[in-house]
Amino acid sequence: AQSVTQLDSQVPVFEEAPVELRCNYSSSVSVYLFWYVQYPNQGLQLLLKYLSGSTLVESINGFEAEFNKSQTSFHLRKPSVHISDTAEYFCAVTRGGYIPTFGRGTSLIVHP
Amino acid sequence: DTEVTQTPKHLVMGMTNKKSLKCEQHMGHRAMYWYKQKAKKPPELMFVYSYEKLSINESVPSRFSPECPNSSLLNLHLHALQPEDSALYLCASSLRDSNYPANYGYTFGSGTRLTVV
Repeated sequence: AQSVTQLDSQVPVFEEAPVELRCNYSSSVSVYLFWYVQYPNQGLQLLLKYLSGSTLVESINGFEAEFNKSQTSFHLRKPSVHISDTAEYFCAVTRGGYIPTFGRGTSLIVHP
Repeated sequence: DTEVTQTPKHLVMGMTNKKSLKCEQHMGHRAMYWYKQKAKKPPELMFVYSYEKLSINESVPSRFSPECPNSSLLNLHLHALQPEDSALYLCASSLRDSNYPANYGYTFGSGTRLTVV
């Protein structure tokens, strides 16, 4: 079985500050990892994913995540956040098959 | 077309009503999903369709009835719902021609916000 732990339910940060949203997973086999973002009153959008290859993956809007197999982590980072980054962020993992396991989500709140 | 379109965006229904939620995608994805999401919670899987056949039903009450008329459409028929069924209902799809479509990530619709009164 696999599980995902998002350690922080809420992360407040000031605009232009850096941010890290933490995600740890547990699985005894190789996994595929995802970050989804959900803006208010919208569905989830795939932000970035790790399938294989380079352990550092980037999104088009400045976020990046690093797959760390030894620490079983896939933390999401951004060096400088904007007000528009305020959203719920979900980490998810699959180990093959249809169904990802989602973390509980982290609310990123960016203050001006 | 890279979207999953859900209609209606909002729905208010009484406990004796019958209504349907609709989901449409034209990306050629052959796996489609219904999720239920309560506020500030992760989405919970309800149903999975693979190549238009129901492959997973996560023990969802029979008052929710899914239907996949063709490879682009997914419906969720609602009947005799309870107030606790009020939630955001999300449709998603994922890549075709793969044994492990979820490994490539989902495309979600914007959801239908359902209120049962």
